[in-house]
Order: sequence, then structure tokens, then C-alpha cells
Amino acid sequence: QVTLKESGPGILQPSQTLSLTCSFSGFSLSTSGICVSWIRQPSGKGLEWLATICWEDSKGYNPSLKNRLTISKDTSNNQAFLKITSVDTADTAIYYCARSGGIAHFDYWGQGVMVTVSS
Amino acid sequence: DIQMTQSPASLSASLGETVTIECRASEDIYNGLAWYQQKPGKSPQLLIYNANSLHTGVPSRFSGSGSGTQYSLKINSLQSEDVASYFCQQYYDYPYTFGAGTKLELK
Repeated sequence: QVTLKESGPGILQPSQTLSLTCSFSGFSLSTSGICVSWIRQPSGKGLEWLATICWEDSKGYNPSLKNRLTISKDTSNNQAFLKITSVDTADTAIYYCARSGGIAHFDYWGQGVMVTVSS
Repeated sequence: DIQMTQSPASLSASLGETVTIECRASEDIYNGLAWYQQKPGKSPQLLIYNANSLHTGVPSRFSGSGSGTQYSLKINSLQSEDVASYFCQQYYDYPYTFGAGTKLELK
């Protein structure tokens, strides 16, 4: 059974760095063809893809967030991570992690974690 | 970036009715398209991938079609549990992009 669960700080202040963790089970990020991605959704709005990391450590980033994103993984502990630097109120959203089989659709999603940026 | 234009933004339909949601890509995405259902307070769930393949466990009243730049999701015999928002997503190329969503309500 594939499950993913996101965790994060809940609330942080503008200009701080947001660190998110995706803990998963039922698959391994060392298996050929497997990737984990981060997607976010501001309240009542649409979905925005942020970043993807794959089994062979290839990475893809949304250029709209320029150089603020860093995605990484800990294969041994079945975790993936996302850091977003210099957060602003516009980064307030629910953050999801999701699995895909390579450059493909997201077949399993976590429940999401709410992140609020506020002074 | 590939832009995904989804229509309509909202839709009201009766139980048992057939509804269709459309998505247009700004360039050919070669069937690299998925449809997701999102119920209030829940995460998105995969319905359709590769434009027309039904994900495991998804009822057969859901179907996807299309090619090139034009794609559609059809729901036959609408059920009350289908009330949700629906999103298309292209994964042909980075950055992955989503349609703005369609909110489906019961009439």
C-alpha cells in the first residue's frame, strides 16, 4: 500500500526558509522509474507544480520560483524534502507531495500540509 | 511553458446526466495528460492518465479522450459522489502545468 505524508512548520515569517518533509511507504525512491514531486495549492485556488526528484537523482524545478527551490531525498529513510527560501505571503498554501512513475502523472498523493507565511 | 486552458470553470448538472469537461493545451502534448478529482478538504485523486487510461479503482463512468492539443473528460450517469473539482495536468514537458479547474455541482 502506497502512502505519503507531508510535514512542515505550520507558520513561518516572511524572508524565512520553508523546509518540508515527505515521508512515504509502499515504494522506494531507489527503484528505477520512480519520482516524487511537490505541488502546492493556495486556499480556494488551483494547483502549481514546484519540483520533482527521481530515483537516479535527476531534478526538475518550476522556473517561476527561480532559484528559491531545492529538492532532495533520503532513500534509506524513504523521505523527500523541499526547501523554499525567502518566503512571502504568496507562499501560503497547502503543500502536497505525490509519486509518479518517471515523467508522468501523479498516481498517489499525500494528504497535504498547510503552510502559512505571516508576520 | 505549456498553458492549459480548462472549461467550463463551473458546471451544474443533474443526477444521471452526462457531463463533459475540456482542456486545451497551448501546444501538442502527445497524450501526456491526466485528470484529477478533488473533493473539498481532500487531496487530488488520479482518474485518467495518458489521456484515456482509467486509473485503478476508478469507476468506468469516467472516461478520457482527445489528442494533440484538445482533451476531454466525460462522466456518464452523474452520481452524487462525483460532486468535486476536476483538474487537467500536462506532463509532456517541464514545467508540469495544470488547468484552472472545473467545479462540478448538482442541479
